Amino acid sequence: EDQVTQSPEALRLQEGESSSLNCSYTVSGLRGLFWYRQDPGKGPEFLFTLYSAGEEKEKERLKATLTKKESFLHITAPKPEDSATYLCAVQTYSGGGADGLTFGKGTHLIIQP
Amino acid sequence: DTGVSQDPRHKITKRGQNVTFRCDPISEHNRLYWYRQTLGQGPEFLTYFQNEAQLEKSRLLSDRFSAERPKGSFSTLEIQRTEQGDSAMYLCASSLDRGYNQPQHFGDGTRLSIL
Repeated sequence: EDQVTQSPEALRLQEGESSSLNCSYTVSGLRGLFWYRQDPGKGPEFLFTLYSAGEEKEKERLKATLTKKESFLHITAPKPEDSATYLCAVQTYSGGGADGLTFGKGTHLIIQP
Repeated sequence: DTGVSQDPRHKITKRGQNVTFRCDPISEHNRLYWYRQTLGQGPEFLTYFQNEAQLEKSRLLSDRFSAERPKGSFSTLEIQRTEQGDSAMYLCASSLDRGYNQPQHFGDGTRLSIL
């Protein structure tokens, strides 16, 4: 069974204090790994797709990287508006929900001014 | 910019009643997904449509749940004889039909509360 584990569960940073969120996965065959941002009372907002080990993608203060067993979301000099829950999800070749995403529980990030 | 639209945003009902939710995907997206999310958890996959065909169902989708997408555009999710455990946020997502790894774009969900 596909598993996605995110750490830490919660993270509190000062504005400007860079850090990384971790997403480790155990799957039978990875098609893609996705990062989403979710604000309270809203649906997940797509950030990045990563396909293969070694791939990196950037958007503003966020950078996502992928290895064969985990992905990192690096946040550089965060601002209070970066506060949200960050979700990691995988899409796999295995049967049963092969087109659906398997999500982790998310990391709740708070950036204090 | 028209994203995924879900209606209603909130639904409060008594246990045992039937409820129906609607999802309007992004207009050019042929794929449509339903997920359920409870507090402190990530979304869990329920079912998936390509055009009007329902291609996958999760084990989470009990017999009380039924989803349709009659003309390959909007979709409905019905829950019959609701139970306390059905209280959750029901999310709809859509994506392009261009092979794998197309990002799924989510609506803001319908929050269901069972009294």
